[in-house]
Amino acid sequence: DADVTQTPRNRITKTGKRIMLECSQTKGHDRMYWYRQDPGLGLRLIYYSFDVKDINKGEISDGYSVSRQAQAKFSLSLESAIPNQTALYFCATSGSTNPLAPDTEAFFGQGTRLTVV
Amino acid sequence: GQSLEQPSEVTAVEGAIVQINCTYQTSGFYGLSWYQQHDGGAPTFLSYNALDGLEETGRFSSFLSRSDSYGYLLLQELQMKDSASYFCAVRAGGWGYSTLTFGKGTMLLVSP
Repeated sequence: DADVTQTPRNRITKTGKRIMLECSQTKGHDRMYWYRQDPGLGLRLIYYSFDVKDINKGEISDGYSVSRQAQAKFSLSLESAIPNQTALYFCATSGSTNPLAPDTEAFFGQGTRLTVV
Repeated sequence: GQSLEQPSEVTAVEGAIVQINCTYQTSGFYGLSWYQQHDGGAPTFLSYNALDGLEETGRFSSFLSRSDSYGYLLLQELQMKDSASYFCAVRAGGWGYSTLTFGKGTMLLVSP
């Protein structure tokens, strides 16, 4: 089983619909992230969470919200999907034995390909 | 804010050596990472440099110069399976927290 699991893997939804992308991890990491990837733009950070009670906006948070239900679960919601949110979405985790030290490696899920029509 | 620059595409032949450069501008810099991604799959970690110098891991090496805000990924003995996108990413932030900011990626095409 994958250490970081995203569901669904593919989703087509209509403009205006609410949709939730889910992420769960078995790595025991406190830190979780949601990224969006568009062709030629790399990965851009949407939201991140350093523990269950911590939620932070990333570079492109408008139109998105998140929920950290447990240490292992971090969900991304599009409240009212629009076509320019069509993209590949990745969840990632990272962790360090020293909570004050920067993490050296992030672990990514397999991605959710979202199409908004 | 943070910004990273890397070439959009690099081509090479099997067995050759290729270098992918990355320059960055950021505050609160901790280190420079490299990730590989095949055909829209999960990005996978290749290397992390926190200090100046060269880090070698098998056929791949990564270099960092903090004073020049510059790093590179060196791939030796290229194989067809190395055809992929390569992303540099800076880890930066404040005390007790940091995030990864990615460059736009370099597509490496390895030909026979």
